Amino acid sequence: QIQLVQSGTEVKKPGASVKVSCKASGYIFTNYGVTWVRQAPGQGLEYMAWISGYNGNTKFAQKFQGRVTMTTDTSTSTAYMELRSLRSDDTAVYYCARAGRIAPVEFDYWGQGTLVTVSS
Amino acid sequence: QTVVTQEPSFSVSPGGTVTLTCGLSSGSVSTSYYASWYQQTPGQAPRTLIYSTNTRSSGVPDRFSGSIVGNKAALTITGAQADDECDYYCVLYIGSGISVFGTGTKVTVL
Repeated sequence: QIQLVQSGTEVKKPGASVKVSCKASGYIFTNYGVTWVRQAPGQGLEYMAWISGYNGNTKFAQKFQGRVTMTTDTSTSTAYMELRSLRSDDTAVYYCARAGRIAPVEFDYWGQGTLVTVSS
Repeated sequence: QTVVTQEPSFSVSPGGTVTLTCGLSSGSVSTSYYASWYQQTPGQAPRTLIYSTNTRSSGVPDRFSGSIVGNKAALTITGAQADDECDYYCVLYIGSGISVFGTGTKVTVL
């Protein structure tokens, strides 16, 4: 069955970086993309960025441009999202989701979420 | 900046029908926006209900349906059940590799 399994809880200090992984299984990784979404405590869902598993193309929501890096390792079907210069308002649950190969559409399977807490 | 709007809350009676909408701050939603809908209970990851306007995700019962109504995307729940009580989010693809989530609708079944 199709699964996306994310890395565990992170606690970081302001100014640090965090890297979250998302390991996919049950489908051909290079036929799809991966979208990253976050949800701050008590808030709604927020689109962050998308990477194609096919050719590594990336797209970012404007507010994350320059602060987020995404990569994939096709040998292990794993996507990574690194967020730099962390602030307290980056405290959130970060989700990955399977998406379209050429655009961030059709988010059909989701990871379980990774809680990132930013606190001094 | 594109804002995707949803009703903040909706109440429906058990067995009733409710239609949630997803609109744009400016302009009309069409199938070109690949509207999708997600259900989320507190503390859980979102669950995909509908994608590409009206395609039901695997395992989703047919009482959930997607469409375009007027100038908005719409999610209709027919025969509402108690466990439909949760938050619902839409997403629109606005082009150039960017998708935008709606503000979310809290559905109460009572």
